[in-house]
Amino acid sequence: AQKITQTQPGMFVQEKEAVTLDCTYDTSDQSYGLFWYKQPSSGEMIFLIYQGSYDEQNATEGRYSLNFQKARKSANLVISASQLGDSAMYFCAMRDWELTGGGNKLTFGTGTQLKVEL
Amino acid sequence: EAQVTQNPRYLITVTGKKLTVTCSQNMNHEYMSWYRQDPGLGLRQIYYSMNVEVTDKGDVPEGYKVSRKEKRNFPLILESPSPNQTSLYFCASSGTSGDSDTDTQYFGPGTRLTVL
Repeated sequence: AQKITQTQPGMFVQEKEAVTLDCTYDTSDQSYGLFWYKQPSSGEMIFLIYQGSYDEQNATEGRYSLNFQKARKSANLVISASQLGDSAMYFCAMRDWELTGGGNKLTFGTGTQLKVEL
Repeated sequence: EAQVTQNPRYLITVTGKKLTVTCSQNMNHEYMSWYRQDPGLGLRQIYYSMNVEVTDKGDVPEGYKVSRKEKRNFPLILESPSPNQTSLYFCASSGTSGDSDTDTQYFGPGTRLTVL
């Protein structure tokens, strides 16, 4: 079965510093996708970044980058130059194509609460 | 504007009183899904639909029903709600092409349900 592990329930970072949020995953399949979502206190789920299992380069989206280490089954999110507005819950999720037969089910981790301080 | 909408956003109800949470998307997506979010558990899939008239159970389907009569709508029905269904519910939609851009799931704003 698929599993996503986020071992950091909460993290603090100072404004303008970089922060890494950890995510490890477990799957026996070769084709899968990894996602990060942000959930601010208002509750909505905001898509941040995607990494496919066959992508050779780490994904980047503005200040977000995904440090993908396939052999270690990790997909850490790096936020550069943190801003106060980055304070939120962050979820790592995985989509397993082979398991869902082309469907799009996401398996989520339990999240990391990030607090950006002045 | 491309979006997924849910209604209501907040709902307080009593045990056993049937309710429906609506979900609609304007992106012509084939795939739609319902998740519930509970503290310490992340999001768990309740039901999903690959296309019109095609629905299937997710990981936690007990106590829920869905229907997909139109491509844009995917309502979640609680026939006899119980307190353990108090949760934050999200509807999501995506394409199913195998392309990461079209297959990213986009979420609605969430519905916070309290069952007394």
